[in-house]
Amino acid sequence: AQSVTQLGSHVSVSEGALVLLRCNYSSSVPPYLFWYVQYPNQGLQLLLKYTTGATLVKGINGFEAEFKKSETSFHLTKPSAHMSDAAEYFCAVSEGAAGNKLTFGGGTRVLVKP
Amino acid sequence: DADVTQTPRNRITKTGKRIMLECSQTKGHDRMYWYRQDPGLGLRLIYYSFDVKDINKGEISDGYSVSRQAQAKFSLSLESAIPNQTALYFCATSDSGLRQPQHFGDGTRLSIL
Repeated sequence: AQSVTQLGSHVSVSEGALVLLRCNYSSSVPPYLFWYVQYPNQGLQLLLKYTTGATLVKGINGFEAEFKKSETSFHLTKPSAHMSDAAEYFCAVSEGAAGNKLTFGGGTRVLVKP
Repeated sequence: DADVTQTPRNRITKTGKRIMLECSQTKGHDRMYWYRQDPGLGLRLIYYSFDVKDINKGEISDGYSVSRQAQAKFSLSLESAIPNQTALYFCATSDSGLRQPQHFGDGTRLSIL
Protein backbone atom coordinates (compact mmCIF):
# COMPACT_ATOMS: atom_id res chain seq x y z
CA ALA A 1 0.00 0.00 0.00
CA GLN A 2 1.18 3.49 -0.76
CA SER A 3 1.61 6.18 1.87
CA VAL A 4 2.80 9.78 2.09
CA THR A 5 4.50 11.58 4.96
CA GLN A 6 4.86 15.33 5.09
CA LEU A 7 7.32 16.51 7.71
CA GLY A 8 6.00 19.48 9.65
CA SER A 9 2.32 20.33 9.81
CA HIS A 10 3.19 24.05 10.02
CA VAL A 11 6.06 26.00 8.49
CA SER A 12 6.80 29.68 9.03
CA VAL A 13 9.02 31.58 6.60
CA SER A 14 9.94 35.20 6.11
CA GLU A 15 8.98 36.95 2.91
CA GLY A 16 11.83 36.52 0.45
CA ALA A 17 13.22 33.42 2.18
CA LEU A 18 13.44 29.90 0.81
CA VAL A 19 10.38 27.72 1.12
CA LEU A 20 11.11 24.01 1.62
CA LEU A 21 8.33 21.51 2.19
CA ARG A 22 9.28 17.89 2.70
CA CYS A 23 7.46 14.88 1.32
CA ASN A 24 8.43 11.22 1.56
CA TYR A 25 6.41 8.42 0.07
CA SER A 26 6.26 4.66 0.03
CA SER A 27 5.09 2.79 -3.02
CA SER A 28 5.52 -0.73 -4.34
CA VAL A 29 5.69 0.45 -7.94
CA PRO A 30 7.12 3.54 -9.64
CA PRO A 31 4.91 6.34 -8.40
CA TYR A 32 3.28 9.35 -9.92
CA LEU A 33 3.73 12.29 -7.53
CA PHE A 34 1.79 15.51 -7.13
CA TRP A 35 1.83 18.69 -5.10
CA TYR A 36 -1.41 20.55 -4.55
CA VAL A 37 -2.06 23.90 -2.86
CA GLN A 38 -5.19 24.87 -0.96
CA TYR A 39 -6.03 28.50 -0.32
CA PRO A 40 -8.61 29.38 2.35
CA ASN A 41 -12.17 28.36 1.46
CA GLN A 42 -11.06 26.85 -1.82
CA GLY A 43 -10.44 23.44 -3.27
CA LEU A 44 -7.05 22.02 -4.15
CA GLN A 45 -5.13 23.33 -7.13
CA LEU A 46 -2.39 21.40 -8.87
CA LEU A 47 1.06 22.95 -8.39
CA LEU A 48 3.11 20.37 -10.25
CA LYS A 49 3.42 16.68 -11.00
CA TYR A 50 6.05 14.06 -11.69
CA THR A 51 5.17 11.08 -13.85
CA THR A 52 8.25 10.08 -15.85
CA GLY A 53 11.29 11.76 -17.36
CA ALA A 54 13.12 14.69 -15.83
CA THR A 55 13.29 14.41 -12.07
CA LEU A 56 13.28 18.17 -11.47
CA VAL A 57 9.78 19.40 -12.12
CA LYS A 58 8.74 23.03 -12.41
CA GLY A 59 5.28 24.16 -11.50
CA ILE A 60 3.20 27.26 -11.22
CA ASN A 61 3.97 30.30 -9.07
CA GLY A 62 7.73 29.63 -9.05
CA PHE A 63 7.57 26.29 -7.26
CA GLU A 64 9.60 23.25 -8.19
CA ALA A 65 10.12 19.75 -6.82
CA GLU A 66 12.72 17.05 -7.29
CA PHE A 67 11.95 13.35 -7.43
CA LYS A 68 14.67 11.34 -5.68
CA LYS A 69 13.99 7.65 -6.03
CA SER A 70 16.84 6.58 -3.73
CA GLU A 71 15.45 8.75 -0.96
CA THR A 72 11.76 8.15 -1.80
CA SER A 73 11.31 11.90 -1.59
CA PHE A 74 9.58 14.64 -3.55
CA HIS A 75 10.37 17.87 -1.70
CA LEU A 76 8.82 21.16 -2.81
CA THR A 77 10.85 24.37 -2.95
CA LYS A 78 10.51 28.00 -3.90
CA PRO A 79 13.57 30.28 -3.77
CA SER A 80 11.79 33.38 -2.48
CA ALA A 81 8.53 33.31 -0.53
CA HIS A 82 5.77 35.78 -1.27
CA MET A 83 2.90 36.71 0.99
CA SER A 84 0.52 35.09 -1.49
CA ASP A 85 2.20 31.71 -0.84
CA ALA A 86 0.46 31.44 2.52
CA ALA A 87 -1.70 28.34 2.11
CA GLU A 88 -1.80 24.64 2.88
CA TYR A 89 0.22 22.30 0.69
CA PHE A 90 -0.45 18.64 0.07
CA CYS A 91 1.80 15.99 -1.40
CA ALA A 92 0.06 13.03 -3.04
CA VAL A 93 1.05 9.77 -4.71
CA SER A 94 -0.67 7.65 -7.28
CA GLU A 95 0.52 4.21 -8.21
CA GLY A 96 -0.82 4.50 -11.70
CA ALA A 97 -1.71 0.83 -12.00
CA ALA A 98 -4.52 1.51 -9.52
CA GLY A 99 -5.90 4.19 -11.73
CA ASN A 100 -5.82 7.80 -10.71
CA LYS A 101 -6.47 7.13 -7.04
CA LEU A 102 -4.45 9.50 -4.89
CA THR A 103 -3.07 9.00 -1.41
CA PHE A 104 -2.43 12.32 0.33
CA GLY A 105 -0.05 13.41 3.02
CA GLY A 106 -1.37 15.23 6.07
CA GLY A 107 -0.61 18.65 4.66
CA THR A 108 1.74 21.49 5.61
CA ARG A 109 0.38 24.93 6.39
CA VAL A 110 2.73 27.73 5.35
CA LEU A 111 2.75 31.06 7.12
CA VAL A 112 4.67 33.91 5.47
CA LYS A 113 5.91 36.67 7.75
CA PRO A 114 6.51 40.19 6.41
CA ASP B 1 -18.27 29.29 -13.91
CA ALA B 2 -16.47 26.63 -11.92
CA ASP B 3 -15.57 23.42 -13.73
CA VAL B 4 -16.39 21.29 -10.67
CA THR B 5 -19.35 22.55 -8.65
CA GLN B 6 -20.33 21.28 -5.24
CA THR B 7 -23.62 21.99 -3.50
CA PRO B 8 -24.27 22.99 -0.83
CA ARG B 9 -21.12 24.84 0.24
CA ASN B 10 -22.05 24.67 3.89
CA ARG B 11 -24.50 22.46 5.78
CA ILE B 12 -25.35 22.07 9.44
CA THR B 13 -27.57 19.18 10.39
CA LYS B 14 -28.45 16.87 13.25
CA THR B 15 -27.38 13.36 14.13
CA GLY B 16 -29.46 10.71 12.37
CA LYS B 17 -30.47 12.84 9.41
CA ARG B 18 -29.94 11.74 5.82
CA ILE B 19 -27.79 14.14 3.83
CA MET B 20 -26.88 14.36 0.18
CA LEU B 21 -23.95 16.29 -1.20
CA GLU B 22 -23.95 16.92 -4.91
CA CYS B 23 -21.18 17.36 -7.44
CA SER B 24 -21.43 18.32 -11.07
CA GLN B 25 -18.70 18.93 -13.62
CA THR B 26 -18.34 20.53 -17.02
CA LYS B 27 -14.85 19.16 -17.76
CA GLY B 28 -16.12 16.12 -19.63
CA HIS B 29 -14.08 13.79 -17.42
CA ASP B 30 -15.05 10.16 -16.96
CA ARG B 31 -13.62 9.75 -13.48
CA MET B 32 -15.04 11.29 -10.32
CA TYR B 33 -14.06 11.04 -6.67
CA TRP B 34 -15.28 11.96 -3.21
CA TYR B 35 -12.84 12.79 -0.40
CA ARG B 36 -13.13 14.05 3.12
CA GLN B 37 -10.57 16.36 4.69
CA ASP B 38 -9.79 16.35 8.39
CA PRO B 39 -7.07 18.47 10.05
CA GLY B 40 -3.73 16.69 10.05
CA LEU B 41 -5.03 13.76 8.03
CA GLY B 42 -5.02 15.28 4.58
CA LEU B 43 -7.68 14.02 2.20
CA ARG B 44 -8.99 10.47 2.36
CA LEU B 45 -10.85 8.76 -0.46
CA ILE B 46 -14.45 7.76 0.24
CA TYR B 47 -15.69 6.51 -3.15
CA TYR B 48 -14.64 6.79 -6.75
CA SER B 49 -16.22 6.15 -10.10
CA PHE B 50 -14.38 5.52 -13.36
CA ASP B 51 -17.56 5.75 -15.43
CA VAL B 52 -21.32 5.76 -14.94
CA LYS B 53 -21.48 1.99 -14.43
CA ASP B 54 -18.33 1.65 -12.35
CA ILE B 55 -18.36 2.64 -8.67
CA ASN B 56 -15.77 1.60 -6.13
CA LYS B 57 -15.20 1.94 -2.41
CA GLY B 58 -12.29 3.97 -1.21
CA GLU B 59 -10.37 3.96 2.03
CA ILE B 60 -13.23 5.10 4.29
CA SER B 61 -16.56 4.16 2.69
CA ASP B 62 -18.41 2.96 5.81
CA GLY B 63 -21.41 5.17 6.55
CA TYR B 64 -21.46 6.64 3.04
CA SER B 65 -23.06 5.79 -0.29
CA VAL B 66 -22.82 7.33 -3.74
CA SER B 67 -24.76 7.61 -6.96
CA ARG B 68 -23.40 8.39 -10.41
CA GLN B 69 -26.47 9.79 -12.11
CA ALA B 70 -24.68 10.79 -15.30
CA GLN B 71 -21.16 11.34 -16.54
CA ALA B 72 -21.30 14.85 -15.12
CA LYS B 73 -22.98 14.14 -11.76
CA PHE B 74 -21.78 12.23 -8.71
CA SER B 75 -23.56 12.54 -5.38
CA LEU B 76 -22.51 11.46 -1.91
CA SER B 77 -25.03 10.45 0.75
CA LEU B 78 -24.78 10.02 4.47
CA GLU B 79 -27.64 7.68 5.30
CA SER B 80 -27.71 8.46 9.02
CA ALA B 81 -25.29 11.21 9.89
CA ILE B 82 -23.12 11.00 13.01
CA PRO B 83 -20.93 13.72 14.58
CA ASN B 84 -17.61 12.15 13.52
CA GLN B 85 -18.65 12.68 9.91
CA THR B 86 -18.22 16.41 10.49
CA ALA B 87 -15.58 17.38 7.95
CA LEU B 88 -14.82 19.20 4.72
CA TYR B 89 -15.87 17.15 1.71
CA PHE B 90 -14.36 17.47 -1.75
CA CYS B 91 -15.41 16.19 -5.10
CA ALA B 92 -12.76 15.75 -7.79
CA THR B 93 -12.63 14.70 -11.43
CA SER B 94 -9.93 13.42 -13.74
CA ASP B 95 -9.43 12.32 -17.27
CA SER B 96 -8.94 8.61 -17.82
CA GLY B 97 -5.20 8.62 -18.54
CA LEU B 98 -3.02 7.17 -15.78
CA ARG B 99 -0.95 10.32 -15.36
CA GLN B 100 -3.83 12.75 -15.30
CA PRO B 101 -4.17 15.02 -12.27
CA GLN B 102 -7.39 15.47 -10.40
CA HIS B 103 -9.40 18.70 -10.44
CA PHE B 104 -11.21 19.68 -7.27
CA GLY B 105 -14.37 21.53 -6.37
CA ASP B 106 -14.40 24.17 -3.65
CA GLY B 107 -15.70 21.78 -1.01
CA THR B 108 -18.71 21.35 1.25
CA ARG B 109 -18.27 22.11 4.92
CA LEU B 110 -20.54 19.71 6.81
CA SER B 111 -21.27 19.98 10.53
CA ILE B 112 -23.28 17.32 12.32
CA LEU B 113 -24.58 18.23 15.75
